[in-house]
Amino acid sequence: EVQLVQSGAEVKKPGESLKISCKGSGYSFTSYWIGWVRQMPGKGLEWMGIIYPGDSDTRYSPSFQGQVTISADKSISTAYLQWSSLKASDTAMYYCVRHTELLWFGELLSRHFDYWGQGTLVTVSS
Amino acid sequence: DIQMTQSPSSLSASVGDRVTITCRASQSISSYLNWYQQKPGKAPKLLIYAASSLQSGVPSRFSGSGSGTDFTLTISSLQPEDFATYYCQQSYSTPRSTFGPGTKVDIK
Repeated sequence: EVQLVQSGAEVKKPGESLKISCKGSGYSFTSYWIGWVRQMPGKGLEWMGIIYPGDSDTRYSPSFQGQVTISADKSISTAYLQWSSLKASDTAMYYCVRHTELLWFGELLSRHFDYWGQGTLVTVSS
Repeated sequence: DIQMTQSPSSLSASVGDRVTITCRASQSISSYLNWYQQKPGKAPKLLIYAASSLQSGVPSRFSGSGSGTDFTLTISSLQPEDFATYYCQQSYSTPRSTFGPGTKVDIK
């Protein structure tokens, strides 16, 4: 069974650093991209970026480039999302997702998020 | 960036009703369109990928259609467990994938 299990809720102060995690199991962790999605309180979904654990190739949404760092440790099947200096506006639920690409005779048919972690709530408040 | 819009933003419906949600992209995205369902306090769940392909395990009352810029999610007979918020997502331009603002379906 494919599972993405995220680390627990965090309460931090502005300016502090944070690293949250997402552990994959039940599939070949190095063969699928892992992404991160933000959901601010009462709001919609925002795609942040993805990493390919096989070679650590990482892509960021322009909205999040420079604001966060995505990494992965394939030896323990775990992806990370980190901040060096949190702001109150980083308060949100963060989901990790498995990004699947379907190919048909070399043609890309679909990219989608087929598995989601349970979410990590990050609260930043003084 | 490709902008996604959804209509309506919310709707009230009864069990058994046929429900249709529309998603529009600001430019052609071929069939790179996915639909997700999110219930309160839960992670989203993939329903439809590639505009019309049903994800494994998703009931057949859910269907998707469209290509280019206009897409539709249809629930043929609304069930109590379908009351949720539905999001479309374009995956044509990665890493600039974007979600629609969501459509909340609640009980009439």
